[in-house]
Amino acid sequence: KQEVTQIPAALSVPEGENLVLNCSFTDSAIYNLQWFRQDPGKGLTSLLLIQSSQREQTSGRLNASLDKSSGRSTLYIAASQPGDSATYLCAVKDSNYQLIWGAGTKLIIKP
Amino acid sequence: SAVISQKPSRDICQRGTSLTIQCQVDSQVTMMFWYRQQPGQSLTLIATANQGSEATYESGFVIDKFPISRPNLTFSTLTVSNMSPEDSSIYLCSAGVRAGELFFGEGSRLTVL
Repeated sequence: KQEVTQIPAALSVPEGENLVLNCSFTDSAIYNLQWFRQDPGKGLTSLLLIQSSQREQTSGRLNASLDKSSGRSTLYIAASQPGDSATYLCAVKDSNYQLIWGAGTKLIIKP
Repeated sequence: SAVISQKPSRDICQRGTSLTIQCQVDSQVTMMFWYRQQPGQSLTLIATANQGSEATYESGFVIDKFPISRPNLTFSTLTVSNMSPEDSSIYLCSAGVRAGELFFGEGSRLTVL
């Protein structure tokens, strides 16, 4: 059974730092992996989608990587800003097209 | 991408009443889903809304409590019936588009007194 884990559960860093959020999964037979951000009490915003055949995707200051063999994905945020404060969720679509969610990392960027 | 509009964005309801949440997508999509997010928790899939047929419910969710309609490829509704305080959550509509990417609405925050 696929399980998705995000560590740490919470992270607080000063503005301007580069940072990495981690997502690990137990079964490497995935269809894709998607990163989202969620602001408090709001819906989810899609950040990056990585297909099973891809190694990374980039959008602006965000870069997501995927290493299926080790069951890991990382979300790299460059030059962090207070507006990046949110909860970041990763979701893995398994080979049965079921979406398995991580519990999220709550990120706080201190001005 | 897909832009998803949900309403109401929030509501406060009395125990025993029902509330219908609407979800409108700006383009035709194959897959539409309804999720629940309880306070401090991650997302739980309630059901897949199927166009023209009954929704597919996940374990722990039943049609009598959460009836869903999907009359066409851009619109769906979720009703939370006979509400109790335990139903207080954010309810999220999502749609799957090209290459399996998933998009979400802003959510409907429900408080049941």
